[in-house]
Amino acid sequence: DTGVSQNPRHKITKRGQNVTFRCDPISEHNRLYWYRQTLGQGPEFLTYFQNEAQLEKSRLLSDRFSAERPKGSFSTLEIQRTEQGDSAMYLCASSLPSQGDEQFFGPGTRLTVL
Amino acid sequence: AQRVTQPEKLLSVFKGAPVELKCNYSYSGSPELFWYVQYSRQRLQLLLRHISRESIKGFTADLNKGETSFHLKKPFAQEEDSAMYYCALSGVGGSNYKLTFGKGTLLTVNP
Repeated sequence: DTGVSQNPRHKITKRGQNVTFRCDPISEHNRLYWYRQTLGQGPEFLTYFQNEAQLEKSRLLSDRFSAERPKGSFSTLEIQRTEQGDSAMYLCASSLPSQGDEQFFGPGTRLTVL
Repeated sequence: AQRVTQPEKLLSVFKGAPVELKCNYSYSGSPELFWYVQYSRQRLQLLLRHISRESIKGFTADLNKGETSFHLKKPFAQEEDSAMYYCALSGVGGSNYKLTFGKGTLLTVNP
């Protein structure tokens, strides 16, 4: 499968624990995005990378959230001191401007905070 | 602020009937509009975008700047069209990366 992949697919954690998710974009896609989707809502933009540079962070991304894309390939999203309100589906997408910049989405990581 | 409104949470039609999923947007400028679809147990995928002016799987959508709408239409619905549909917009130029989604409409096509 050459699409966007995300790991883990599911994560259950206790409040106060730290969690880290990984996203592997489509090879050669230089743009990478993180979105969050809660029940009954559409995806909401969290942050965006062009190569290894993080160019925008949404106000939704509190100080407990950090994202990296160290070599411009895969990305990680870490949530520190998780809260029950962090329970959501975390989606990753990637795109290539020279190919129309269509965002291709991964399957998501479903986080449940108990 | 940019916003996308999908007024119908649920839409149910019979096979062969026309279907229209409504989408209205708010954006200061000229946005790019998209329809994304998520079939059961599959990932979110692009259905169509207004700049390509294509018909995908029999679906079309016309951007009406006067009414700030981008409704999705299909003349004869099929059972395999049953899915969650999201309307989305992005800016043009420097802010063309960030998608703003509506809450989605769950379409059910009954046999």
